[in-house]
Amino acid sequence: DAGVIQSPRHEVTEMGQEVTLRCKPISGHDYLFWYRQTMMRGLELLIYFNNNVPIDDSGMPEDRFSAKMPNASFSTLKIQPSEPRDSAVYFCASSLYGTASYEQYFGPGTRLTVT
Amino acid sequence: SQQGEEDPQALSIQEGENATMNCSYKTSINNLQWYRQNSGRGLVHLILIRSNEREKHSGRLRVTLDTSKKSSSLLITASRAADTASYFCATGNQAGTALIFGKGTTLSVSS
Repeated sequence: DAGVIQSPRHEVTEMGQEVTLRCKPISGHDYLFWYRQTMMRGLELLIYFNNNVPIDDSGMPEDRFSAKMPNASFSTLKIQPSEPRDSAVYFCASSLYGTASYEQYFGPGTRLTVT
Repeated sequence: SQQGEEDPQALSIQEGENATMNCSYKTSINNLQWYRQNSGRGLVHLILIRSNEREKHSGRLRVTLDTSKKSSSLLITASRAADTASYFCATGNQAGTALIFGKGTTLSVSS
């Protein structure tokens, strides 16, 4: 398996623009997680899905953030409109099971810069 | 919050030396995981230790867990330059359905 795939790897955009980050989880993994990593706040869980259904989105910072999982092999994280404080590395991870007793497999991340 | 906190924040050692990183957490756990992140890459799972285990080994890695002190340690023996990375501990959220990560220890191994 190719592992978790994220695109794009780098995104530079201007404030106010819409940004869409994409993720393809490992085949057969029923859980998908979106994280954001910054120097100040570390790695934060934004939202996670089980069988394509959002289970907990309490980490989504604002209504400007939305995430979807239309099928088992694809998820998007959208920011509209983007702001400079959204600049961070966004990771997608997948897991076979959803409990904290199992390892998560991370993608390489998308480095987002909002100017 | 059950977020783990790693200590120290940064550690610099010479190749061949041992590196020890510590993690403290706040509430009871079922297990604790350690991950490594190389610069510019995603996190990679290293080891999981369950609450009924006190010590676990994987190659040059040794993890201990002291539930009475709510702490864990990661020991890397005979370190190599390739071990240069950030190391994170992670515990479950209150529902036990997702992981909460600490801010990590940045390890630098010089040759």
